[in-house]
Amino acid sequence: ILNVEQSPQSLHVQEGDSTNFTCSFPSSNFYALHWYRWETAKSPEALFVMTLNGDEKKKGRISATLNTKEGYSYLYIKGSQPEDSATYLCALPTNAGKSTFGDGTTLTVKP
Amino acid sequence: EAQVTQNPRYLITVTGKKLTVTCSQNMNHEYMSWYRQDPGLGLRQIYYSMNVEVTDKGDVPEGYKVSRKEKRNFPLILESPSPNQTSLYFCASSFSASGTYNEQFFGPGTRLTVL
Repeated sequence: ILNVEQSPQSLHVQEGDSTNFTCSFPSSNFYALHWYRWETAKSPEALFVMTLNGDEKKKGRISATLNTKEGYSYLYIKGSQPEDSATYLCALPTNAGKSTFGDGTTLTVKP
Repeated sequence: EAQVTQNPRYLITVTGKKLTVTCSQNMNHEYMSWYRQDPGLGLRQIYYSMNVEVTDKGDVPEGYKVSRKEKRNFPLILESPSPNQTSLYFCASSFSASGTYNEQFFGPGTRLTVL
């Protein structure tokens, strides 16, 4: 079983703070990394699919970077808003159908 | 509307009573997968399918069966449910056959309680 680790497990910030969290994974046999946002009582929704070392992706105030050589990805949220409160999951798929998720980082943004 | 649907959304059953959770997608996706989510843990893959009649085990397949007779449907079968299968279940689908280079679209989830 692939070891995908996310840190921190949870994070509490004030509205307007910027924050970031990490997804770590084995650097060998890398194919892609997915980031998902999972709001309470909803389904996970994709944020980014990253494939190349050095990839940087951005969607509004959320951005992500990828370092496949050292085995990590960072997710950044600039100027957090209460609606950003969710659990953020990263996943590592293989090229043969298996997909391993981290345990997630739960972000709470206080108004 | 492009979507993944699951039924039922909520189910309470008893140990040993066979059940099926249905999953259907209308996006003509090749790849479909089942996950379970337990408190404090991320999603753990139960089974996946890269095409019709092609299924394979994920990390936690024990106690589950699946079939993929049609491209759009991927039911999850619990032949003899046990309390340790109480969980939140998600079905997902993806455009690419391996689910690697395209995001997965998730169904609304099925909360299963086995007494």
